[in-house]
Parts: sequence; C-alpha cells; structure tokens
Amino acid sequence: DGGITQSPKYLFRKEGQNVTLSCEQNLNHDAMYWYRQDPGQGLRLIYYSQIVNDFQKGDIAEGYSVSREKKESFPLTVTSAQKNPTAFYLCASSPQGPAEAFFGQGTRLTVV
Amino acid sequence: EDQVTQSPEALRLQEGESSSLNCSYTVSGLRGLFWYRQDPGKGPEFLFTLYSAGEEKEKERLKATLTKKESFLHITAPKPEDSATYLCAVQDNYGQNFVFGPGTRLSVLP
Repeated sequence: DGGITQSPKYLFRKEGQNVTLSCEQNLNHDAMYWYRQDPGQGLRLIYYSQIVNDFQKGDIAEGYSVSREKKESFPLTVTSAQKNPTAFYLCASSPQGPAEAFFGQGTRLTVV
Repeated sequence: EDQVTQSPEALRLQEGESSSLNCSYTVSGLRGLFWYRQDPGKGPEFLFTLYSAGEEKEKERLKATLTKKESFLHITAPKPEDSATYLCAVQDNYGQNFVFGPGTRLSVLP
C-alpha cells in the first residue's frame, strides 16, 4: 500500500544527545515536510524539501537538521542545540505544495 | 503576518447534537483554506479545501463553509466516531505561507 511511514512511534532522548527521526514515503511525491506539534499550538514547519538534494528552512529550523539524498526519504535530526525538543513530530509529503499533503503517523519525542 | 485562530478550543456534544466549529484567519490574499481531522496520536487527515467566499464542501456529516474572514465546519447529528481534533490551515496567494490553527478538540458522547 502507498503511504508515508514514520519511525519510531515513541522516542526517548537524554539531554545532550542527537536523535534522528525516520520518514519514508512510497507515494512518489517530490515534496516532503517536517512539522512540530505542541499542545494548544498549530503545526509549525521545521524544514521542507521540494526536490532531492535540496531543502529549505521553515519557521523553527534552529536545532534541527535534515537530508534528502533519496526521493523516498527525509530524515530529521534533533540536535542537542534544540532547547525544548519534547514534542510530537509529523512528516508529510505531497506532489507539489503543502496543501492537501499526506501525513505520517508521527513520532513522539520525549527528553528524559 | 498570516494568522489562524480556532474556536472553541474544546467542544463536547451529545450524539445527535449538531454544532459548528470556527476558523478565523488573517492572510494577505487567500489561495486556499484547508480542514483536517486528527485522531489522538496520529497524523492529520485531509478533509476539505475551500478557495473562495461562498464556497461549501460536504462529506458525510461535515459541511465546510467559507467567508472572507472565517470558515465554519458544521457537524450535523454527530456520532462518537466523529470525536477528533479538527485543524484548519490557510495558504496565501504567493504559496509561500501555509499556517495551521491550533485546532478544536471535539468529543461526541454516546
């Protein structure tokens, strides 16, 4: 079945560690996105990529990094520079822009 | 700066009790307004796109409407399975800005 897969579903990180969240899609979409969701706030854009080997910062990119070496994959690394990383992270993909994107099931990251 | 607010923050309804959710927006030229449904611990699922004032879209018990300043998601005779958080988002005419609202958490009690 076509879809977008995020892993792991739950992730625990110690302070000072980098962690990488996986996002894979088999929808043949060019565009991929990473959002962060906090309680009581709308989804906020971290990074997006419209084509392989190219990506752009979103509204809250500080403390995060991404790569887009393959069309299917858009991993997000949460670095130790991110001061408040505990959140629900959502990956999405679309044929073009962010509207009507397909979302993954999310990864809940908790700093312990 | 583009902004989206949603009200109420949370809404509890009895099964069969119709109501409406509000999405108010400020955007420098609206390209589209989008509604999503999000179940707990899952990603949002796309519901509707509205492009111009006066437009309406329907899907089962849901109907979305759009004015120049706000959108409503009307829920007619809701069922417990309609319980979810409903998000709206707007995209500006330049296509560069895509802003989500904080959502309305709907609970439908049997």
